[in-house]
Amino acid sequence: GQQVMQIPQYQHVQEGEDFTTYCNSSTTLSNIQWYKQRPGGHPVFLIQLVKSGEVKKQKRLTFQFGEAKKNSSLHITATQTTDVGTYFCAGYNFNKFYFGSGTKLNVKP
Amino acid sequence: DADVTQTPRNRITKTGKRIMLECSQTKGHDRMYWYRQDPGLGLRLIYYSFDVKDINKGEISDGYSVSRQAQAKFSLSLESAIPNQTALYFCATSEKTGMGQPQHFGDGTRLSIL
Repeated sequence: GQQVMQIPQYQHVQEGEDFTTYCNSSTTLSNIQWYKQRPGGHPVFLIQLVKSGEVKKQKRLTFQFGEAKKNSSLHITATQTTDVGTYFCAGYNFNKFYFGSGTKLNVKP
Repeated sequence: DADVTQTPRNRITKTGKRIMLECSQTKGHDRMYWYRQDPGLGLRLIYYSFDVKDINKGEISDGYSVSRQAQAKFSLSLESAIPNQTALYFCATSEKTGMGQPQHFGDGTRLSIL
């Protein structure tokens, strides 16, 4: 069945270092979304990528969608303590979202 | 989002009990979803509904049932709770138009089954 794998599971960085999380789908996706969940909170929508090879930026966050629409990445430049949380990708296909297992980011000041 | 309200926020109960988790929304969205979150497993889809008369099973529907009482209300039931249903449960909504619209999540219900 449809699967979306996400790595790494955990990432500990020093404030100011960069961070990247990767998602890979077993099948081609219609689109992919990214969410952030702060500790004790609920997932909050960050962005949606639809087109093959699409790249979008939100301040220090860069999101990419692969040419084959099967993989995606989220890169954070110069992390800050406010970036702490778990980042999830969610691939959309056949009217359903398939969430990755998430990458938990810890940022040390 | 305060627009998606889940009750209760926390619940501790015993094996074999029937549990109902409720979700209501004021966003006017047609689509509603129930997920469970377990450490290291992300969010897994239990059931989803595209409108009042349309209910669909997700990845892990066994042991669960749902009811869409109105556009704004979508409840999840555990007919006979078992310990491995201990998890954090989220309700989410999304718009009907377009393909794969962003989902808006409630604050979650933390359920513990002893």
